[in-house]
Amino acid sequence: QVQLVESGGGVVQPGRSLRLSCAASGFTFSGYGMHWVRQAPGKGLEWIAFISYDGSKKWYADSVEGRFTISRDISKNTLYLQMNSLRPEDTAVYFCARHNTGDYSCDYWGQGTLVTVSS
Amino acid sequence: QSALTQPASVSGSPGQSITISCSGSSSDVGGYTYVSWYQQHPGKAPKLMISDVSNRPSGVSNRFSGSKSGNTASLTISGLQAEDEADYYCSSYTSSSTWVFGGGTKLTVL
Repeated sequence: QVQLVESGGGVVQPGRSLRLSCAASGFTFSGYGMHWVRQAPGKGLEWIAFISYDGSKKWYADSVEGRFTISRDISKNTLYLQMNSLRPEDTAVYFCARHNTGDYSCDYWGQGTLVTVSS
Repeated sequence: QSALTQPASVSGSPGQSITISCSGSSSDVGGYTYVSWYQQHPGKAPKLMISDVSNRPSGVSNRFSGSKSGNTASLTISGLQAEDEADYYCSSYTSSSTWVFGGGTKLTVL
């Protein structure tokens, strides 16, 4: 069955960096695009980044453009989110999700990892 | 990249039907069939309930249905059950090659 497991969250000071990982299993990782979606405490979902199945296309929300980088390692079946210049408003649970090529939905989600940006 | 507009809350009694609206623009909801709905219980990951405006993924109850008219999509839940109490989010692909979510709707089953 499809499994997505995020890791790498934690407490980080403003201005510092953090890298999140999302380990994928149960499907052919190299055949699917992937998303990162975040949710600030008590708030709604916010889409932040997408990477195509082959890594050739990367799209970002304005709120993270230039600070965050999405990437993938096919050999490790792992998705990454490199987060630089972190701000307190980046505090959120970060979810990875699989992209459904046919209907552009996020058809499977991980359980999320919490990132807290605080001094 | 403004969020899609959803009502903050809706409620209904067991057995009743409710509808949640999701308003966008011609650059997102109105311009594509790539509209999805997600259910999220507290502390859990979102779950895909409807994709492509009205398609139900395997395993999702047929009590859930979706539709779209112009720039507004809707999610209808019929025969409300206690387990349906959750937050619901719509989402759409956009003309900027991004995705946008609605602000979320809290469904209370009375």
